[in-house]
Amino acid sequence: DTEVTQTPKHLVMGMTNKKSLKCEQHMGHRAMYWYKQKAKKPPELMFVYSYEKLSINESVPSRFSPECPNSSLLNLHLHALQPEDSALYLCASRPLAGGTGELFFGEGSRLTVL
Amino acid sequence: AQKITQTQPGMFVQEKEAVTLDCTYDTSDPSYGLFWYKQPSSGEMIFLIYQGSYDQQNATEGRYSLNFQKARKSANLVISASQLGDSAMYFCAMREGYSGGGADGLTFGKGTHLIIQP
Repeated sequence: DTEVTQTPKHLVMGMTNKKSLKCEQHMGHRAMYWYKQKAKKPPELMFVYSYEKLSINESVPSRFSPECPNSSLLNLHLHALQPEDSALYLCASRPLAGGTGELFFGEGSRLTVL
Repeated sequence: AQKITQTQPGMFVQEKEAVTLDCTYDTSDPSYGLFWYKQPSSGEMIFLIYQGSYDQQNATEGRYSLNFQKARKSANLVISASQLGDSAMYFCAMREGYSGGGADGLTFGKGTHLIIQP
């Protein structure tokens, strides 16, 4: 199993809604990542989890709340978002020992905030 | 200063021609890795090829090769015999100081939008 699975693939929400993005991998990777990508821009790192603990928060606004309940699952809880938060949200993972540092990406969740 | 520079925002190439996508990088760390990813319009980031800073030979993966010039700090991607399905965004990325234990993410360049024409 070499997949990172993200759900939902598309999400439309209002500024007062609360929603969550989910990411799952069963490759035994102990580092998991959230990236945000605006149209025609490169992915920008948001959060990094290492051994299920938050290790990097790139000064992301508190309306984005990450959670790593176990080594296979990563969530991104969304609350009171703004229209400028509309973007593709990419989850990635990689092993923490061995390998090249390659990130394994999911297909992304495309978020629209109205 | 940008750590990864991709100077070609867009490229048009005829099908079956070879194409070179430019990437230069900036780091003072002797240990680093360079990656190329392809992103079709569907959004998924597809890993293409990797080059480690200590690798003596240029990396190759099928139709993809990486022209690694360490002294120039460049890591250009070469796609041989381009196909219509190669049309996508291409990102060069770098990982610095990896020794097997850190969890730092990759730093991406701005990307090159490649369009293959029939």
